Amino acid sequence: DQQVKQNSPSLSVQEGRISILNCDYTNSMFDYFLWYKKYPAEGPTFLISISSIKDKNEDGRFTVFLNKSAKHLSLHIVPSQPGDSAVYFCAASATGYALNFGKGTSLLVTP
Amino acid sequence: NAGVTQTPKFRVLKTGQSMTLLCAQDMNHEYMYWYRQDPGMGLRLIHYSVGEGTTAKGEVPDGYNVSRLKKQNFLLGLESAAPSQTSVYFCASSYTDVYGYTFGSGTRLTVV
Repeated sequence: DQQVKQNSPSLSVQEGRISILNCDYTNSMFDYFLWYKKYPAEGPTFLISISSIKDKNEDGRFTVFLNKSAKHLSLHIVPSQPGDSAVYFCAASATGYALNFGKGTSLLVTP
Repeated sequence: NAGVTQTPKFRVLKTGQSMTLLCAQDMNHEYMYWYRQDPGMGLRLIHYSVGEGTTAKGEVPDGYNVSRLKKQNFLLGLESAAPSQTSVYFCASSYTDVYGYTFGSGTRLTVV
């Protein structure tokens, strides 16, 4: 049973605008959340993370928001750039367990 | 360059054949993982290891075996390949059990 859900398989955004990628989870034991970015023919690379004790974490153009009561997190990319076009995976972990990944959202940033 | 190296990058197998995928990391990481990625399914954990000589089952372990005889290497074996094992396989390693997974570039396996 999928414990990490990314319900939007794809998203298209114009360059310069905001991209919002969403992720829901079902396991209340998850205490650490991460976003990975993946280009074709490459392995996923770590983008940004957030601990369950926080509700927001920023790193340059990337911000992750966590709403624990709703079991929901989102990744905001502002401003979006064509080089951001990739598949984004949401991942979650409970202490002592390997990462659970969502199915991914394919982001296309158009000029 | 430091990182995770997967061998081979591509392979075509016939049903029933066996093969071993090799993962090597030079970051002295304790934890190593094997995931498979299928269209519309995301990344699913096959097996993992929390240290040299240890292995554990993940979400989809059936049809696979693993070994971690040396800290830097994690081998994934298919004893009798099936078309359902056609996938892209990713190896990852990490220093802790959560933070800082480093992934290899993947092995694309086709079973015909």
